[in-house]
Amino acid sequence: EVQLVESGGGLVQPGGSLRLSCAASGFTFSSYIMNWVRQAPGKGLEWLSYISSSSKTIYSADSVKGRFTISRDNAKNSLYLQMNSLRDDDTAVYYCARFSGSGTSYRDLDYWGQGTLVIVSS
Amino acid sequence: QSVLTQPPSVSGTPGQRVTISCSGSSSNIGSDYVYWYQQVPGAAPKLLIYRSNQRPSGVPDRFSGSKSATSASLAIRGLRSEDEADYYCATWDDSLSAYVFGTGTRVTVL
Repeated sequence: EVQLVESGGGLVQPGGSLRLSCAASGFTFSSYIMNWVRQAPGKGLEWLSYISSSSKTIYSADSVKGRFTISRDNAKNSLYLQMNSLRDDDTAVYYCARFSGSGTSYRDLDYWGQGTLVIVSS
Repeated sequence: QSVLTQPPSVSGTPGQRVTISCSGSSSNIGSDYVYWYQQVPGAAPKLLIYRSNQRPSGVPDRFSGSKSATSASLAIRGLRSEDEADYYCATWDDSLSAYVFGTGTRVTVL
């Protein structure tokens, strides 16, 4: 069974840093493109970042470029999101999610984690 | 501010057919498949439609997707109370090199 489990969320002050993790199991993690998506309270879904299976290709939303960094460790079946210079409007539930395959025909996010809550507040 | 526009809300009575529109541009919907996600309050989103009109196993055939030029639609026929949720369209935007979600539509069953 495919499972994605996020961790690392919590309360952090504005300007602070946090590192989120996503533990993957039930599939060959090293073969899949992974993403981070967030949802602010009462708001819609916002895609944040994409990392290819080999980490060679990374895309990020303009809203987090230069502040958030996606990475992965295929040996540990883990995905990460390093978040720096956090702002109040980064408060959200953060999800990791998998593209169903590689290639442009497989950009459906077929599995999602349960999410981890990040609260940025003084 | 999303590049994909959806109506904020849609409602219907049980058994009715409702549709949700998703409007984009040539750099996103016009050049890629459209995906639809359902999110029940308090839960993670769930894939509903992939490659514009395909249903994952386990998704009832009451749900159907279509795409034409720079717009897409999700139809729910035989509306049921358990269909009350938020629905998001999504696709890849070549100009932004980003995955983009629609603004989201709340479906209410009256």
